[in-house]
Amino acid sequence: ENVLTQSPGTVSLSPGERATLSCRASQSVSSSYLAWYQQKPGQAPRLLIYDATSRATAVPDRFSGSGSGTDFTLTISRLEPEDSAVYYCQQYGSLGLTFGGGTKVAIK
Amino acid sequence: QVQLVQSGAEVKKPGASVKVSCKASGYTFTGHYMHWVRQAPGQGPEWMGWINPNSGDTKSAQKFQGRVTMTRDTSISTAYMELSRLRSDDTAVYFCARVILGAVGLDYWGQGTLVTVSS
Repeated sequence: ENVLTQSPGTVSLSPGERATLSCRASQSVSSSYLAWYQQKPGQAPRLLIYDATSRATAVPDRFSGSGSGTDFTLTISRLEPEDSAVYYCQQYGSLGLTFGGGTKVAIK
Repeated sequence: QVQLVQSGAEVKKPGASVKVSCKASGYTFTGHYMHWVRQAPGQGPEWMGWINPNSGDTKSAQKFQGRVTMTRDTSISTAYMELSRLRSDDTAVYFCARVILGAVGLDYWGQGTLVTVSS
């Protein structure tokens, strides 16, 4: 199983600051089959980024994804109060999907 | 607009089975794989498996093999997930989610179904 490790566990930043979230895989993620999700309390996850770098429909351009192989990053360029949430990475491999443990983003 | 509407909350005893439905609308049901993901209280999402609504082929996570059954009824655009031999640690919110076309990512999710396993 391809284990995804996210860091940091929690980050607290002010509006307008930049957030950099990391997702490291225990094995190479084939063909950049990596996605990022935002989840707010009581809601289903929302797809932000797919195939490592492509923004999903209606996702603001302050969200961007990068990386390949085993190291991936989600960047939120200018934090807004509504970005307070838990962010998960997810990969697709031969054994199916796995999710990371999540990074909580708190807005000061 | 695309919608996935799931069945309501369930309370089950240990050892029982639960079947959750996911009715799709607003798109061609057979055109997108459907995944099932669960989330225990305070935990991250956990993938359970997928079904190809066109062929009926399924793939489940090793952890759930032998306990999970995924089916579909194309006549009513509905996918089902049945989990048997329930244990207390199966208490979770269960989601269905559609795969984005031609890529990897789950772009539409159901609202979730809370399954509580308690004696």
